[in-house]
Amino acid sequence: GENVEQHPSTLSVQEGDSAVIKCTYSDSASNYFPWYKQELGKRPQLIIDIRSNVGEKKDQRIAVTLNKTAKHFSLHITETQPEDSAVYFCAASIKWELSFGAGTTVTVRA
Amino acid sequence: SAVISQKPSRDICQRGTSLTIQCQVDSQVTMMFWYRQQPGQSLTLIATANQGSEATYESGFVIDKFPISRPNLTFSTLTVSNMSPEDSSIYLCSASGDEQYFGPGTRLTVT
Repeated sequence: GENVEQHPSTLSVQEGDSAVIKCTYSDSASNYFPWYKQELGKRPQLIIDIRSNVGEKKDQRIAVTLNKTAKHFSLHITETQPEDSAVYFCAASIKWELSFGAGTTVTVRA
Repeated sequence: SAVISQKPSRDICQRGTSLTIQCQVDSQVTMMFWYRQQPGQSLTLIATANQGSEATYESGFVIDKFPISRPNLTFSTLTVSNMSPEDSSIYLCSASGDEQYFGPGTRLTVT
């Protein structure tokens, strides 16, 4: 099955700085790559996704890049704010069954 | 995006008993799934809930332990059977259209 690795496991950034989280996947047939944000005690919330026919996608302060050749994708958060503090999960799928990375705990220091 | 609700939100159960978790979506969806998230961990797919046919289980999960029903395109149940403390976890359902959204989860504690 699909194996997704995510790095780093924890990330501490100064407010206003950028945060980057990287994921790699094993199955070259994977074609859908969502990112979820999970605050403590809450459900995972879809924040952005990208499909394999696109190399980059941006939504305000959040962007995702995909390198199909290298089988890796990354989440970029610019101008971080305290409310960006959460656990972020990357995922990959061929159809709709999601395989998740281990998660990155992001802390934004004021 | 679909609005997904789950019942119960949490429960404390005795070892050896069973609990059925309900998942309701506010619109018809093609795909519904059940995931498990142990405290401080990532999400692991248990099974795909297929409407009108048996669920498709991932490696390590079996129908006798986690029977699933999906009677229509908006509703599914997951039963955790013959529970042990190792089953203590958060169980989440999700629904997919073009994107996949999650329910709020059911926090299960087995004593």
